[in-house]
Amino acid sequence: QSVLTQPPSTSGTPGQRVTISCSGSSSNIGSNTVNWYQQLPGTAPKLVIYSNSQRPSGVPDRFSGSKSGTSASLAISGLQSEDEADYHCAAWDDSLNGWVFGGGTKLTVL
Amino acid sequence: EVQLVESGGGLVKPGGSLRLSCAASGFTFSSYSMNWVRQAPGEGLEWVSSIHSSSSYIYYADSMKGRFTISRDNAKNSLYLQMNSLRAEDTAVYYCTRGISGDYYDFDYWGQGTLVTVSS
Repeated sequence: QSVLTQPPSTSGTPGQRVTISCSGSSSNIGSNTVNWYQQLPGTAPKLVIYSNSQRPSGVPDRFSGSKSGTSASLAISGLQSEDEADYHCAAWDDSLNGWVFGGGTKLTVL
Repeated sequence: EVQLVESGGGLVKPGGSLRLSCAASGFTFSSYSMNWVRQAPGEGLEWVSSIHSSSSYIYYADSMKGRFTISRDNAKNSLYLQMNSLRAEDTAVYYCTRGISGDYYDFDYWGQGTLVTVSS
């Protein structure tokens, strides 16, 4: 299983706010920043949040990230049908000396 | 526009070898670290390997150490992954990703991926 823990799935209705959690440990999230990736069906992942809470240019401000201790969260407000995708968290792990991912969360827009 | 185009995937028998390539364009390749990340069918993402912009530092996931070799040619704007002793569990789409800077490896741009299938 994955080093970082994410819920396998979540859902919301258009306009709603949803959050996706990512839980780790002191060697990864506890000591390094977290990035979030959106993967639309059949496509490559795309960076939507880096350094815990920074948005790359072109990513809507509906997407926000936060970190506290050994956990991080991705929030999507004003949910839209185009947000339906898999979301993955990632962080560097000092003990493994490598990158670790969460198992991914499938977001369904009802 | 940043573009990363992988090639070299295909069907290979267990124990065989394959060399993946990634052609980069739209940015100064020699100024950025690079990575390989893979995704088995229906599974999550798995980091494979990272290389510093100058090739000074190289990192591998434990399950790839001794079997995979990452390299780059800054003159050709290209990243490579030599994969030996392939196993069925190496079957995955392999993505070439750019690091966020020369010294930091956070994946900011991804290629479309190339499928590697290990099967007899």
